[in-house]
Amino acid sequence: AQKVTQAQTEISVVEKEDVTLDCVYETRDTTYYLFWYKQPPSGELVFLIRRNSFDEQNEISGRYSWNFQKSTSSFNFTITASQVVDSAVYFCALIPMDSSYKLIFGSGTRLLVRP
Amino acid sequence: GAVVSQHPSRVICKSGTSVKIECRSLDFQATTMFWYRQFPKQSLMLMATSNEGSKATYEQGVEKDKFLINHASLTLSTLTVTSAHPEDSSFYICSARGIGTGVRAEAFFGQGTRLTVV
Repeated sequence: AQKVTQAQTEISVVEKEDVTLDCVYETRDTTYYLFWYKQPPSGELVFLIRRNSFDEQNEISGRYSWNFQKSTSSFNFTITASQVVDSAVYFCALIPMDSSYKLIFGSGTRLLVRP
Repeated sequence: GAVVSQHPSRVICKSGTSVKIECRSLDFQATTMFWYRQFPKQSLMLMATSNEGSKATYEQGVEKDKFLINHASLTLSTLTVTSAHPEDSSFYICSARGIGTGVRAEAFFGQGTRLTVV
């Protein structure tokens, strides 16, 4: 099966706390791409990161970091020192090589950062 | 990143009427466009994939006669919701891929259209 699971439906943190959003994926392909998108209340989807299956290096971009672990099929996303503007729904997504470039989305995690 | 413009951003229509949503790639040629639907507090569900100049491929359970997709040029795809009913009220989002980018490219998304059928 090709599937993305985001087990955390909603997370609420206080500003400046660190928060990790979990993503577990399933695919039978050895080559695939993983993505994270942010969807603020306005609705548009904001691309955050793309990672291919051959690159397990962790990535840091400002307050954002991603931990890709093929051994556990996970691609977790951490926000350090969270801010109110980080409040949004975050989607993890997968493109397996056999799906004609179709993105398979997880169910999303709603993050609320309280002041 | 590349820009995908979706119009309108919001539309309210009467039950039984048809609504057309446009998705344009502004600075690249999109060989493939995808249409997604998102119910409140739910994930994005792929409705159909359209390739320029050919018929769209619909996902299982999506009525092709109800959701008409046209991808007439490399920069424009349209989704027409025909004979809309209140249960068609949803958030519709398109995404586009460019020529030669293949699976490496992230999907560039439009801003989305919130359709309300009254």
